[in-house]
Amino acid sequence: DARVTQTPRHKVTEMGQEVTMRCQPILGHNTVFWYRQTMMQGLELLAYFRNRAPLDDSGMPKDRFSAEMPDATLATLKIQPSEPRDSAVYFCASGLGIWGYTFGSGTRLTVV
Amino acid sequence: QQPVQSPQAVILREGEDAVINCSSSKALYSVHWYRQKHGEAPVFLMILLKGGEQKGHDKISASFNEKKQQSSLYLTASQLSYSGTYFCGTELSMDTGRRALTFGSGTRLQVQP
Repeated sequence: DARVTQTPRHKVTEMGQEVTMRCQPILGHNTVFWYRQTMMQGLELLAYFRNRAPLDDSGMPKDRFSAEMPDATLATLKIQPSEPRDSAVYFCASGLGIWGYTFGSGTRLTVV
Repeated sequence: QQPVQSPQAVILREGEDAVINCSSSKALYSVHWYRQKHGEAPVFLMILLKGGEQKGHDKISASFNEKKQQSSLYLTASQLSYSGTYFCGTELSMDTGRRALTFGSGTRLQVQP
């Protein structure tokens, strides 16, 4: 089965450090989402791309978060500087819309 | 605009039925349903599109009432494997060309033997 691949699976970092999370969407999928999941906030939409163009990043704290899609096989989410409140599981999902979306396994981020 | 799900949690015995509801205050283009097991990623179950329809997937089915902007997920003759958190995700009609998928807060379903 085709998979969305996210790296790293786990990341522990110190407050103030830069964190980069990567996502390889399924080949042929034109839409990519980034979500953050915490117990308190559920699944929050951070950003999303269609055909590599950013369509919505209103859910992201702009001063520290950035999302890019340099090519069709790679989406990145960066946090600089990281803070303890950024600790969460970050999911990437890709799809074609009407067929639903496939989620990656997530990156569990802990900022100490 | 985040959809509203109810109930927040359900506990069932094997073989019992459950209904999970999802509603929006804005006109919907589509409703997605996903299931997430503890420690895993959400998994797509089904999508219902504007126009009102009902779909089935084994003993799990869903309906979409376009006039009320509501969707319901029906789990019949529940099995232990149905346990998990169910999320509805919605795309708004007004977001032509953008279609951001936003999720409700989830319904935790526990099926006991």
